[in-house]
Amino acid sequence: SYVLTQPPSVSVAPGKTARITCGGNNIGSKSVHWYQQKPGQAPVLVIYYDSDRPSGIPERFSGSNSGNTATLTISRVEAGDEADYYCQVWDSSSDHRGVFGGGTKLTVL
Amino acid sequence: EVQLVQSGAEVKKPGESLRISCKGSGYSFTSYWISWVRQMPGKGLEWMGRIDPSDSYTNYSPSFQGHVTISADKSISTAYLQWSSLKASDTAMYYCARHSCTNGVCSPSDAFDIWGQGTMVTVSS
Repeated sequence: SYVLTQPPSVSVAPGKTARITCGGNNIGSKSVHWYQQKPGQAPVLVIYYDSDRPSGIPERFSGSNSGNTATLTISRVEAGDEADYYCQVWDSSSDHRGVFGGGTKLTVL
Repeated sequence: EVQLVQSGAEVKKPGESLRISCKGSGYSFTSYWISWVRQMPGKGLEWMGRIDPSDSYTNYSPSFQGHVTISADKSISTAYLQWSSLKASDTAMYYCARHSCTNGVCSPSDAFDIWGQGTMVTVSS
């Protein structure tokens, strides 16, 4: 089955840029979606189809995907961005099963 | 407003059955697939399976196949997740999530654009 690998944690100072990676075999050939989950809340879609932003998501959030790594980039990080972030793809080799990465805890210092 | 509203928290004993629900509103329920996602305490998200409410076609993660049943009643815009015999290891938060489908066409590559608020299921003797 397809595996997505994320770093357990990323720390960044306010105003700086955070980059959260999501590794997978030839992930560049798949569409990657990113979700933000704050404590006690349901996940929220922040990036879809690698780099598109849903309405209401700040332009500070961006995404890229190439080769074996997809990246969520958060510019000018704010305290309110502190959350868990999950990448997600569909594994078309297995009857289109959903796959999530293990999640990355973003800490704003 | 487009939303998914889930049923309330449940406390059950091992071996008991359970069905939790997810009611869609503000959109055409049959035009968007629904998935269920598990989150065990302190852990990450796990995709369980999905349903096409228009025809009730389902597919499941191998990790959950045979242990849960996903269904839908399109007449009341509601999807369900059901267990016939709960285990302590089923203790978790369960979310339903709508596939982002475009112009009424769903793709296996869709994101989850709307999430329910979650239903906490506790299984303990």
